[in-house]
Amino acid sequence: EIVLTQSPGTLSLSPGERATLSCRASQSVSSSYLAWYQQRPGQAPRLLIYGASSRATGIPDRFSGSGSGTDFTLTISRLEPEDFAVYYCQQYGSSPLTFGQGTRLEIK
Amino acid sequence: QVHLVQSGAEVKKPGSSVKVSCKASGGTFSSYAITWVRQAPGQGLEWMGGLVPIFGTANYAQKFQGRVTITADKSTNTAYMELRSLRSEDTAMYFCARAGIAAHLSWLDYWGQGTLVTVSS
Repeated sequence: EIVLTQSPGTLSLSPGERATLSCRASQSVSSSYLAWYQQRPGQAPRLLIYGASSRATGIPDRFSGSGSGTDFTLTISRLEPEDFAVYYCQQYGSSPLTFGQGTRLEIK
Repeated sequence: QVHLVQSGAEVKKPGSSVKVSCKASGGTFSSYAITWVRQAPGQGLEWMGGLVPIFGTANYAQKFQGRVTITADKSTNTAYMELRSLRSEDTAMYFCARAGIAAHLSWLDYWGQGTLVTVSS
C-alpha cells in the first residue's frame, strides 16, 4: 500500500499569508491520482483538488495543487479566516485508497 | 447538487454489528462508486471499501475483509455499510462519500454528514 506522509504536522500562519503543505508518497502515484481535502471541526471533509492540480467545483482560486510522482504540494496563496482547518491528501492510483495523516493549519 | 444523508448515531456492545445507511439525492446514484471512510476520535481518515451500484461488486480494505459488507439498493438510492464483531477500537465517525467516477479508485467529491458509532460495554 502507498503510505502518504504530510508535512508539517502543524502550520501556524496569519491571515493573508501564504501556506505551503506537502504530501510525500512512499512510491510513485500513478497518473498523478492525488486529491486534497479540507476538514473543519465537526464537519465532513471537503474536496479541494483532484488529479493533483484540478480544482473541484466551487473551490476558490487561492487554492492550488501541484506535483507528480512522489511529491505533491497544496498552496493557499492568501489565507482567509475560514481556511484554518485540517488538510488531508489522498491517493487513488492504487488500491487501497490511502490518506495522509493530515496537516493542521492554525492561526498564529 | 448531490446530497448524501446518513442514518443517526449508534451505541453498540462489543461483539455486535452495526448497519449504517447513506441515502443519495440529486445526481445519478448507480453510476458512481459509493465509498465508506471512517475517522476515529482525533485521528485521520481511513478507507474501508467501496461499491459501484451498477456493477454490484464491492472492494474492501484488507484490514476490514470478512468483517464489513457494503451494499446498495438502487431502487431507493441508498447504500449501506455493515460492520460486524465490533470492538472498542471501532468507535469512530463513519462517512459515506460519492466517488468522482464509476470506480472505487477515485477522488471523493460529495460526503455524507457522518454517523457516530460508539462501541462500549
